[in-house]
Amino acid sequence: GAGVSQSPSNKVTEKGKDVELRCDPISGHTALYWYRQRLGQGLEFLIYFQGNSAPDKSGLPSDRFSAERTGESVSTLTIQRTQQEDSAVYLCASHRGQGLFSPLHFGNGTRLTVT
Amino acid sequence: AQRVTQPEKLLSVFKGAPVELKCNYSYSGSPELFWYVQYSRQRLQLLLRHISRESIKGFTADLNKGETSFHLKKPFAQEEDSAMYYCALRARDDKIIFGKGTRLHILP
Repeated sequence: GAGVSQSPSNKVTEKGKDVELRCDPISGHTALYWYRQRLGQGLEFLIYFQGNSAPDKSGLPSDRFSAERTGESVSTLTIQRTQQEDSAVYLCASHRGQGLFSPLHFGNGTRLTVT
Repeated sequence: AQRVTQPEKLLSVFKGAPVELKCNYSYSGSPELFWYVQYSRQRLQLLLRHISRESIKGFTADLNKGETSFHLKKPFAQEEDSAMYYCALRARDDKIIFGKGTRLHILP
């Protein structure tokens, strides 16, 4: 596709439910990142995938958060037993890969609201 | 630990006045530093990177390793510069972390 695509664009869920957010990176981009942006806050690093290497999960805030990526394509971020503090915009970004410079290309984000 | 600090949450500047958005970083090594910008209703996008030492839309940023700073500057602000600006650091392992961002508001 022309850019990084995220779905859904908006998600409202009840506290305690699980949600799954999807990111389609730009074709050929081996590096993929997830960030969280709470209202009035900056970009909080969550997780980073690079090719077939083990992902850097150091930013995941709790074990309720997990992410997967199949090869160098789609990634899903799953939040289990959602809490109100999980409400935020979740941004996905990709770039060409380690050792190469290419700018991060961001999706439009998924706005998650936990009621 | 890697850290990017943008001390100002909001900066209001009159049109035509100089702009300086502050960014300080903490990193043991030689980082790669960037400024990203998000205009209203648009996606986050790269504005400039320190390695290229270029001027984009009149903005420049110089890496000062002694002060561990990478401040973004423009001599004369324009109304279209109003946006959210994020300073970012790319570490050796390719992890990219961002500051909390500064909202730049250009007053007419």
